[in-house]
Amino acid sequence: EVQLLESGGGLAQPGGSLRLSCAASGFTFTTYAMTWVRRAPGRGLEWVSTLAPSGVSTYYADSVRGRFTISRDNFKDTLYLQMNSLRAEDTAVYYCGKDEASGSWTDSWGQGTLVTVSS
Amino acid sequence: QLVLTQSPSASASLGASVKFTCTLSSGHSSSAIAWHQQQPEKGPRYLMKVNSDGSHNKGDGIPDRFSGSSSGAERYLTISSLQSEDEADYYCQTWATGIRVFGGGTKLTVL
Repeated sequence: EVQLLESGGGLAQPGGSLRLSCAASGFTFTTYAMTWVRRAPGRGLEWVSTLAPSGVSTYYADSVRGRFTISRDNFKDTLYLQMNSLRAEDTAVYYCGKDEASGSWTDSWGQGTLVTVSS
Repeated sequence: QLVLTQSPSASASLGASVKFTCTLSSGHSSSAIAWHQQQPEKGPRYLMKVNSDGSHNKGDGIPDRFSGSSSGAERYLTISSLQSEDEADYYCQTWATGIRVFGGGTKLTVL
């Protein structure tokens, strides 16, 4: 059974940083692309970033490009999201997901971790 | 521009059926989409992929009362025999090189 467990959320000040982690189990982590999405209060799901299995190809939403960095440790089966220059509008629950084999959509999700950006 | 359009809300009675619509923007009418469900205070759950020909591939454990179909630029999710636990937000998602897009979501109220 695929399991994804996010951690690292919390309170950060505007302009601050946080690093989210997503521990994966139940599948061959090195084989699949991985994705972060978020849901801000009162809003819908928003795609944030996707990372290819090799860790080389990265994709970002315009809203986070240049501030967030997605990465993975294929030895630890863990996905990361380094979030810098945080803004109030980054406040959201962040979910990691495992993509299906072609890397086009997400077929398993975690339960999320809350990030609050406030002074 | 790749955009998915969903109605913000829907309602149906317990035991009835409901059909959600996701409309692809101009120029993308042949794209496949994925449907996801998000119950209150939970992470999303992948339901199925729906292709332009109406074929669909459901996720593990998704009941038979969930089905998908297509017509032109519209992709559908139908839930039959509605249960209380179906009350949730439903999102469609599509993709292109280097980008993923979600629709705005439809909130389902089960009466």
